[in-house]
Amino acid sequence: SQTIHQWPATLVQPVGSPLSLECTVEGTSNPNLYWYRQAAGRGLQLLFYSVGIGQISSEVPQNLSASRPQDRQFILSSKKLLLSDSGFYLCAWSAGHGTGVEKLFFGSGTQLSVL
Amino acid sequence: SQELEQSPQSLIVQEGKNLTINCTSSKTLYGLYWYKQKYGEGLIFLMMLQKGGEEKSHEKITAKLDEKKQQSSLHITASQPSHAGIYLCGASRGGQGNLIFGKGTKLSVKP
Repeated sequence: SQTIHQWPATLVQPVGSPLSLECTVEGTSNPNLYWYRQAAGRGLQLLFYSVGIGQISSEVPQNLSASRPQDRQFILSSKKLLLSDSGFYLCAWSAGHGTGVEKLFFGSGTQLSVL
Repeated sequence: SQELEQSPQSLIVQEGKNLTINCTSSKTLYGLYWYKQKYGEGLIFLMMLQKGGEEKSHEKITAKLDEKKQQSSLHITASQPSHAGIYLCGASRGGQGNLIFGKGTKLSVKP
């Protein structure tokens, strides 16, 4: 069966520090991968998605970036965190059939607090 | 751009009562998803609806998609404390399966 791992679960970082959140998927190949952010009062916002290694689509201009160095690994990074980067970050995957109607499976999330 | 509006934003019900959560789209929905989230945790998939008029049930939760495919409802019968959480509706967008989501409905069930 497929599983998705996301870490760390919680993170407290000072403003201006770098960030690296990692997500890996097991039990499937060539998945579509996603990073979402959930901020208070703003709902769930899609940040990045990837349909393959090295292929990243950005949804929202920001100081965050994403990379997919391996088929089942998705990394969210920042060189310098801002206060506004605080939030709950969720990684997700889908089977990637390209039909436009696909169920997403979510990781357990990372609560990031930038102080 | 497509947006999903959920109502109500929050709901407090007595255990055993029925409740309904609504999700409305400004555009036709080509795939409507319901998820549940416990505070500080990931989203758990509940149901997916694709066809106009479709209805699906799982245990005490029923989801419907209207004929015009612009509105969905989630109905919980005889609510229990285990139903408490945040319910989010999501909709397919584009050919790669990424979803947009409503802001969620926070449900509290009083024992």
